[in-house]
Parts: sequence; C-alpha cells; structure tokens
Amino acid sequence: NAGVMQNPRHLVRRRGQEARLRCSPMKGHSHVYWYRQLPEEGLKFMVYLQKENIIDESGMPKERFSAEFPKEGPSILRIQQVVRGDSAAYFCASSRTSGERDTQYFGPGTRLTVL
Amino acid sequence: KQEVTQIPAALSVPEGENLVLNCSFTDSAIYNLQWFRQDPGKGLTSLLLIQSSQREQTSGRLNASLDKSSGRSTLYIAASQPGDSATYLCARRGSASKIIFGSGTRLSIRP
Repeated sequence: NAGVMQNPRHLVRRRGQEARLRCSPMKGHSHVYWYRQLPEEGLKFMVYLQKENIIDESGMPKERFSAEFPKEGPSILRIQQVVRGDSAAYFCASSRTSGERDTQYFGPGTRLTVL
Repeated sequence: KQEVTQIPAALSVPEGENLVLNCSFTDSAIYNLQWFRQDPGKGLTSLLLIQSSQREQTSGRLNASLDKSSGRSTLYIAASQPGDSATYLCARRGSASKIIFGSGTRLSIRP
C-alpha cells in the first residue's frame, strides 16, 4: 500500500504565476488535509476535504488559494498569482475516517519557491 | 486561542542518554494527541497517537504520556541513538478536522 503521494516535490514559480500542488491519498482514504510550513515555523492547518466536499477551510487564506478533491483523481491545492510569501513546504495528509482513533498519514511535501 | 507549546526548542545530548520532550496545550478538550518526527527536508512520520481516553502509549524505546487536566504531554526516549536526531513535533487534534502543531524540538544526539 503506497503512502500519500505528492507532486511535484519541488516547484519554482515567478511572482504572479499559478502553482498547482497535487496530493494522492493512501488507498482507501477519503479524507484529505493540507498544511503549510513556512520557513522556520511550525505546520499550520489550511483545509480539510472529503471526496468532492470542503469540510473545513478555516486555515486557508481568503484570496488566491483554493482546494478541491474531485470524485476521481488527486486533491489539488491551487495558488493563483503567487507572491514571495507563499514560499513554503505544503504537506498533504490523508486518513480513512475522521475518527479519534485514525491517524493522519503525511506525504513528503511540495516545496514551493517563488522567485 | 488554541496553542501547542514545545519545550525545549532544541536539545543536544550524548548517545545513550534517556531524555524527555515536553508539550503543553491550552485547550483540554482534545480528540487525540500525536507525536511526529520530521527529518530535514522530509515529511512527517507518526510516532505515537494517544486517544483522549488514554494516558500513555509505548512503541519500542518511545513512550508518550497525556495528562488532559494539566494540558501536558511528554515524549520519553530511552537509550538515545544518533539516528534519533530529528525534529519532534507534538500535535493536538481538537476536532475531526485539523491538527494544531507545536513548533517542535530539534533533537541532536552526539555519538
């Protein structure tokens, strides 16, 4: 059973471009979570999705950021018109359920650099 | 504001020592408490998960405890090895969705 997969692992964008980050959850997992780790800071929750639905987006910036988890295919975190402050490591996690006993399994992350 | 604090921020000890990492959280209403390991430039590896109804969990040389009333958790590492060098993150899950992470303890084990 492959773990959580994220691609690309490294992404370089110029200011104003769009960044698309992909996350394939573990097999059998229908819950996906995105986190951001800014340089020298801890991980911060961004958004929680369950197939085709956004459950909690309380950590997502109100502008330029969006996330989706379609019925088929990976979850996508989209950042429009990137700025230097978006440079960070973006981690995706997945779980089978949202229950207390279920751990979230993390992917290797996508490191976004905005020039 | 829900916060998770980890002390110390960095720790360096010689190989073979037993050590304790501390975590405190401000809201005692938790789903579960989890300890992760993060190696430089890598993702997170889950070490131990303590459910809200439990007081501790053990895995090999690792033991994690949870005291909800005082808002504290500790991670105990026995007989430390150089391969244990990493950043250790404490994470409080307060709902079905998000995990709130501490800023981590950077652990270095000297051979």
